[in-house]
Amino acid sequence: DAKTTQPPSMDCAEGRAANLPCNHSTISGNEYVYWYRQIHSQGPQYIIHGLKNNETNEMASLIITEDRKSSTLILPHATLRDTAVYYCIVRGGSNYKLTFGKGTLLTVNP
Amino acid sequence: EAGVAQSPRYKIIEKRQSVAFWCNPISGHATLYWYQQILGQGPKLLIQFQNNGVVDDSQLPKDRFSAERLKGVDSTLKIQPAKLEDSAVYLCASSLGGQPTQPQHFGDGTRLSIL
Repeated sequence: DAKTTQPPSMDCAEGRAANLPCNHSTISGNEYVYWYRQIHSQGPQYIIHGLKNNETNEMASLIITEDRKSSTLILPHATLRDTAVYYCIVRGGSNYKLTFGKGTLLTVNP
Repeated sequence: EAGVAQSPRYKIIEKRQSVAFWCNPISGHATLYWYQQILGQGPKLLIQFQNNGVVDDSQLPKDRFSAERLKGVDSTLKIQPAKLEDSAVYLCASSLGGQPTQPQHFGDGTRLSIL
C-alpha cells in the first residue's frame, strides 16, 4: 500500500478554512485517497474519499492534484468541534485495507 | 441509521485473564473489521470478515486472539490469556462490502486495560 505523509500538527482559527495537506507520491492508479478523523475517545469518523476528481460533501472538500501525488482536505468553516486527529489513507492493495498512520492533530482555536 | 455498536465501553482485567468484546455492525453491512489501537498510534487491522467468512487475519495474534462472526451479523473478539501489551482500544468497523468505494464506519471501541 502507498504510504502517506502528513504534518504532525496544525492550528486553525475558528470560522476560518482548515486546509490539511497529504503527500502520497507512490499512489497507484487504482488506489483511492480516504480521509478519516478521530475525536478524543471516539472511533474514527469517515469524512470523504476520491480517486482522481475533486470531491465535496456536507463535511468537507477533497482536492487531488492532477498527478495524484498529493491531496488537500478542506474544512470550509472550522469549528471547535473539528479539533481532532485527521488521517489521510491510501486505500488499495490486497483486500483494500485501511492502513492508518499517525495523522495530523488539528487544533481549532477560538 | 444506527451506527456500529460495541460493548463493553471499558474493561479492566488482570494479565492472564480472558476477555471478550462484542460488536453489532450497521444493518445490512456484509463486511466487518476488528482493529487494535494502541495509545498514540493509528488503528491496526486485526481481522476482516465477509459475511461469516474470514477474509484476512494475517495480523491477528492467533495464539491468544480469536474472533467469530456467527450468522454473518454480530461478532465477538476474544483474548485468552491477556498480556500487558494488549492494553489498547479495540475498534469494530463495518461496510456494505469490501470494495474500495465503500467506506468503513467505526464504533467507539472498547478500552481495555490490563493490570
